Amino acid sequence: DAKTTQPPSMDCAEGRAANLPCNHSTISGNEYVYWYRQIHSQGPQYIIHGLKNNETNEMASLIITEDRKSSTLILPHATLRDTAVYYCIVRGRNFGNEKLTFGTGTRLTIIP
Amino acid sequence: DGGITQSPKYLFRKEGQNVTLSCEQNLNHDAMYWYRQDPGQGLRLIYYSQIVNDFQKGDIAEGYSVSREKKESFPLTVTSAQKNPTAFYLCASSPLAGGPGEQFFGPGTRLTVL
Repeated sequence: DAKTTQPPSMDCAEGRAANLPCNHSTISGNEYVYWYRQIHSQGPQYIIHGLKNNETNEMASLIITEDRKSSTLILPHATLRDTAVYYCIVRGRNFGNEKLTFGTGTRLTIIP
Repeated sequence: DGGITQSPKYLFRKEGQNVTLSCEQNLNHDAMYWYRQDPGQGLRLIYYSQIVNDFQKGDIAEGYSVSREKKESFPLTVTSAQKNPTAFYLCASSPLAGGPGEQFFGPGTRLTVL
């Protein structure tokens, strides 16, 4: 699986959009970008994933660049409950490749 | 109410004792996973199982053992051979082995070895 690079920490004002970047310059054609988040002392929570098109769900939007070497997770109206560590993960979807490789992620703090 | 349960939430054991962590899911998921998390670090895969009666080692399987006798259960035993067992242990499941890849996590068990 391709390696990802994320900033270690970010702050965002409550009510504003939080934009979390991720670099994955070695991503291969069949690898997806996944985002999870982990609130302190809880299990990680799946947020969204995508291959090459932009994706949106009730939690967030995922913007993937045309060359697929980077992506941005957008939380459109951040609340205090969005304070968490956010993990960007790249993974293929072939049978037998089950591992999600979690790095150290980005610690997002929402400021009141 | 569907989900993944792990018990207990906090567990204390003396050094040299084996301990088994429970993980149960009622989501009818095929695949189940065990991860370990140390303070300030990401998750590392210990073992995973794609189907009943089969499991595979992850990145840090030494000192751990698992079983998958039932689809809904995937207990993890931390043996005395694990040199640094104090950590936060997370169990996860996903609908189909090799499928979409979304993993659903339990609340975790924090193991402290004294």
